[in-house]
Amino acid sequence: TQLLEQSPQFLSIQEGENLTVYCNSSSVFSSLQWYRQEPGEGPVLLVTVVTGGEVKKLKRLTFQFGDARKDSSLHITAAQPGDTGLYLCAGALGGAQKLVFGQGTRLTINP
Amino acid sequence: KAGVTQTPRYLIKTRGQQVTLSCSPISGHRSVSWYQQTPGQGLQFLFEYFSETQRNKGNFPGRFSGRQFSNSRSEMNVSTLELGDSALYLCASSLEHEKLFFGSGTQLSVL
Repeated sequence: TQLLEQSPQFLSIQEGENLTVYCNSSSVFSSLQWYRQEPGEGPVLLVTVVTGGEVKKLKRLTFQFGDARKDSSLHITAAQPGDTGLYLCAGALGGAQKLVFGQGTRLTINP
Repeated sequence: KAGVTQTPRYLIKTRGQQVTLSCSPISGHRSVSWYQQTPGQGLQFLFEYFSETQRNKGNFPGRFSGRQFSNSRSEMNVSTLELGDSALYLCASSLEHEKLFFGSGTQLSVL
C-alpha cells in the first residue's frame, strides 16, 4: 500500500492548458515537498510546504498544502513543453531525510 | 559549486554478485541518503548517514548496506544480487533540514 497516492499517474495535454496534480495520504506529514525529475537525472526540489493551508507560487506553478497536512496539490497554469517531466510529491516521516515518495505523475506537454 | 556526484553511472551485474556504489556529496553537506527507484515501487528510502553514523534506515533486507567516510563521501553495497535489485540508485546530500539535493543516480541492471 502506497503511503502517498498521486493522481493522475499519466497526463498528456496541449501547450497552454491548465492542469492539477494531487497528492493524498491518510498520514500527517511535518512537511511535504514537490520534485521534478527529468529522464536520466535525479529529482530536483521545487518547493517545500510546511504549514497547513499554505500556498506557494513558483512562476506558473502553484502548490497548496491541505489544512490537515495530509494532502497537497500542484497546479500549473498555461503549461509549456518545458514543464514535461515526472512530478513527485514526498512527505517527511520519521526523520528529515527519510522521505516517503508518491508514485509520481508523468506529465507531457505537447506543442 | 559541484553537485552530488555518483559513480558509476551504469552498471551491469549478474545474479549472486555484489556491487558497490559511490556518492560524493556537495561540499559541506554532512548528511547522505540513499534511495532506490523502480518503475513498480517508485522511490524508496534505503538509509541515511550523518557524520559517519547511520541515522535512519528503511525497510530493505540486510543485503543492502552502506557506510560514510570522514570526508562525508558514502558508499552503498548490495550483496548476493537478485534480479529485483535492478533499479536506479539515487544518492542525496543535505545541509539544511529536509532539503535534499539528488545526484543523477547509478542505473544497476542485474542479469
